[in-house]
Amino acid sequence: SQQGEEDPQALSIQEGENATMNCSYKTSINNLQWYRQNSGRGLVHLILIRSNEREKHSGRLRVTLDTSKKSSSLLITASRAADTASYFCATDASSASKIIFGSGTRLSIRP
Amino acid sequence: GAVVSQHPSRVICKSGTSVKIECRSLDFQATTMFWYRQFPKQSLMLMATSNEGSKATYEQGVEKDKFLINHASLTLSTLTVTSAHPEDSSFYICSAGDRAQETQYFGPGTRLLVL
Repeated sequence: SQQGEEDPQALSIQEGENATMNCSYKTSINNLQWYRQNSGRGLVHLILIRSNEREKHSGRLRVTLDTSKKSSSLLITASRAADTASYFCATDASSASKIIFGSGTRLSIRP
Repeated sequence: GAVVSQHPSRVICKSGTSVKIECRSLDFQATTMFWYRQFPKQSLMLMATSNEGSKATYEQGVEKDKFLINHASLTLSTLTVTSAHPEDSSFYICSAGDRAQETQYFGPGTRLLVL
């Protein structure tokens, strides 16, 4: 399969709690990106982390990257109802310019 | 930031007809564009890489004669679903990136429904 794996597939948490999503990939990468997609809509780019970086922050988002384990995590702190969406990691492989998406996590925030 | 548009946003057609979807980079030139397909509650699957002035590169399992790609200019790529059937109903998304960008910019998607 061209896809990486994400877990959990679905996550439901209470508003205000933190949400953590994990992504594993298969090949060497130049960078890894996280996207959000609201139901039936296009993709929104959240954050990019390069292969030589280990952690990156953007607002309530924190992304980690472990290239030795070929994995990344996305942490959303102090979740809000508006964070309800599907979240995808995507890798830009070293050997090609194309971006391959993970299987995604459906996040639901309960008010 | 860079903007990528798609047209149409939604199309309904009868089985057997062909449907053309356009992907445009509005404020930058893109030598490479990508076409993805997304079925409900699934992730984006890369279909093909569209190369300006040359043939597209298709992913394994994607029929090149079924999904015709033309990248005639640095700002426009088209995907034509030929002889569409109900199983082709899906959300089709394109992306493009200019040479200076690490990030691909995604179009808003085209929802195709084949009756």
